[in-house]
Formats: sequence, C-alpha cells, structure tokens
Amino acid sequence: NAGVMQNPRHLVRRRGQEARLRCSPMKGHSHVYWYRQLPEEGLKFMVYLQKENIIDESGMPKERFSAEFPKEGPSILRIQQVVRGDSAAYFCASSPQGANGYTFGSGTRLTVV
Amino acid sequence: TQLLEQSPQFLSIQEGENLTVYCNSSSVFSSLQWYRQEPGEGPVLLVTVVTGGEVKKLKRLTFQFGDARKDSSLHITAAQPGDTGLYLCAGASPGTYKYIFGTGTRLKVLA
Repeated sequence: NAGVMQNPRHLVRRRGQEARLRCSPMKGHSHVYWYRQLPEEGLKFMVYLQKENIIDESGMPKERFSAEFPKEGPSILRIQQVVRGDSAAYFCASSPQGANGYTFGSGTRLTVV
Repeated sequence: TQLLEQSPQFLSIQEGENLTVYCNSSSVFSSLQWYRQEPGEGPVLLVTVVTGGEVKKLKRLTFQFGDARKDSSLHITAAQPGDTGLYLCAGASPGTYKYIFGTGTRLKVLA
C-alpha cells in the first residue's frame, strides 16, 4: 500500500521558468493538501482540494500559483515564472473523507537559480 | 489569522532527560495533532487529540490537549537520540479539515 507519492523529489528551475509538482494521494484518499516549508520554519498551508474541486485556496499567492486535482491522475501544483523566493520544500498530504490526520509525502525541494 | 506558537523553539538535552514541548493558541481547535519531521522527509503523524483534557500515551511520549482545546503539550520521558527531530503541532478549526501548523520545536538529544 504505497503512501503519498510526490515527484520529483528535487527540482531546479531558472528564474522565469515553470515548475510543476505532482502528488499522488494514498489509495482511497480523496482529500489533498499542499503546504510550503521554508528552511528552519514550519509548514504554511497553501491549498486544499478534493477531486475536481478547490475547497480552500486561502494560502495560495494570488499570482503565478495554481493547483488542480483532476478526476484522473495526480494533483498538480503549478508555479509559473518562478522567482528565487519560491525556493522551498513543497509537501503534499492526503486524507480520507472525514478523517482527522494527514499522511504526508516526502516533498519536492524546489530550487530557483 | 490563527497562530500556533510552540515553545521552546530549540532544545538540546542529554540522553535520559525528560522534556516538555508546548503548543499554544488563542483559538479553539476541533482537533490537534503532533508530528515529527526528520531532515529531508515529510512530517509523520504521531497522535491526534480531539477531546478537551484528553491524554494519550505513545510509549515514552505523553500528549495532552488543554481543557479549552486551545493548547497542547508533548512530554518525552527518558529521551533518546532517536527522538531527535522537528516536532510540529497542528490544529484544525471546528468544521474544517484544514490544519494550521505551529512554528515547530527542534529537538536534539545527545548521546
């Protein structure tokens, strides 16, 4: 029973490029959450999705960031025109319907050069 | 905006010592969780508490949820080097499954 799978584990992008981060939730989990973690800091909530719906995107920057969780396939966090300040670890978590407690993936470490 | 403050921010202790980490907020939470995160990995859920005053034990770890459901503590007895890591608390507001994470406590246990 695979856990939450995130890929890539490491991603290097030049300023201005696009970054696509993928997250496959645990089997049977219909809720996906994305968090961002800067070095030596806690996790900051970005967005909460269910299949084909964005439930809460209050933590997403207004520009350049978008997220989706299609009916088929992984959830995608997309960052357009990346800047150095986007460098961080991005974690995805999933949970079943109505459950307390997340299962986190191992994260994608984005470095913008 | 909800804030979860953890204290201490950093803690370095000798193997065998006891320690307590605190998680405080002015907001009420429907549930509160504790996670441990190791370098290069995602957080791993340790416990979820949902009832005010609830106490849960996990081997040498004791978790308590405050009576008013605004704060929590994590007590580790006889710490071991394997306990080293970043400890994070996270709270969910009533009616939501979105968790807000605390500022973290970085624990180092020296052999």
